Order: sequence, then structure tokens, then C-alpha cells
Amino acid sequence: EPEVTQTPSHQVTQMGQEVILRCVPISNHLYFYWYRQILGQKVEFLVSFYNNEISEKSEIFDDQFSVERPDGSNFTLKIRSTKLEDSAMYFCASSPRGLGETQYFGPGTRLLVL
Amino acid sequence: GEDVEQSLFLSVREGDSSVINCTYTDSSSTYLYWYKQEPGAGLQLLTYIFSNMDMKQDQRLTVLLNKKDKHLSLRIADTQTGDSAIYFCAESKNEAAGNKLTFGGGTRVLVKP
Repeated sequence: EPEVTQTPSHQVTQMGQEVILRCVPISNHLYFYWYRQILGQKVEFLVSFYNNEISEKSEIFDDQFSVERPDGSNFTLKIRSTKLEDSAMYFCASSPRGLGETQYFGPGTRLLVL
Repeated sequence: GEDVEQSLFLSVREGDSSVINCTYTDSSSTYLYWYKQEPGAGLQLLTYIFSNMDMKQDQRLTVLLNKKDKHLSLRIADTQTGDSAIYFCAESKNEAAGNKLTFGGGTRVLVKP
């Protein structure tokens, strides 16, 4: 069964460094998402992406964040200058279409900012 | 804004039924989902229900939706030790842009043998 994959599974970085989290969505899906879950808190929506542009973003998704689909398979989340409070589990998801379609989640990348 | 709430913890004996409850505030929610998260793993979709339905059954899982009270529940029949996990409910709306999910805080279910 096709699944969403994410790399790396864990990343440790120093505050102020740039990180890129990578995702390979399910191949025929058109909508892509990033969510994050700070330890002990709710899973929060960050951004959705369709047709090579952001379709919606949350207040969390400020200028430090960017997303890109650099080729036909990868979907990346970049954090330019990490802060301690960016430490979280980051989930990528994809869906075949947007409206009412189930989102399939990857296993997540645990990011720790020191 | 949207808000989704769940109880934090549920303990159940193996073989019994589990009922996990969820409330949401946004009456325009169109789809409601249940996801399961096992330790160290991602979010696995269990089932979903469209807001014009009041019940959906899928093998051991039964979803009940009370749209008037904005209450969603997930019943797991014959609960097994493998059902121990965190269960998240989530809602989305029928909007043109993105279809973001809003999650509850998760209910940790512990199944005792």
C-alpha cells in the first residue's frame, strides 16, 4: 500500500541553524500538508500546498518557514533560523484532492533545537 | 475559531468495548475523522464520517455523530491490547483552500489484559 515517507526520522540542530525536512507524498496525490506537534500539545496545521503554491497557512507559518516541491516527488519544509520553540514532531500529509479527501500522514520527523 | 476537545485518558479491559468522546465547536465542520497514533509512529486514519450522517460502522469501529450537540464518539468493540494508542479526532470544513484538519488533544487508551 502506498504511504507517505519522511526523512530524517530525527534531527538535532543548534538554535539559529537552517533545517530542511523532507517528505515524499503518495505519488498520485495533489495536495500536500505540514503539521507539527509540540510535545504534550495538539497536532497543529502549518501549511497546505497545491499546484505549486501555498493554498493556506496558519499563524505559526511565519517568514522563517517555507515549503517547496523541488521535483515531482519531494515536498520540503525549510526553517531558516531555528528557535528552541520549533522543537516538535513535524508531520507531512498528502491527499488525492483537497475537498473532503482523507489526508494520509507520514511517520513524522522529530526535530530538537538546542 | 475551531476547537476540538477530547478527554485525556481511557483505561479499558481487554475484550470490553471502548468509547472515546470528542466535542467540537465549529458547526460548519463537514468531515470528522478519527486517527490512531501508536508510540513512535505517525497518524493512521481509522475512519471518518461526513456531517450529514449520524452513524458509520466499519468492522469493530462505530462512529456516532450528534451534530446538534457537536459530539462525536468512536466505539471500539472487543478491545484488544493492540488497540492501546492515542486516538485523535479531527474536523475539516468544505472550503476551497486546503482542507486543513483541526485536531483534538488526543485520548490515550490503555488496554489492560
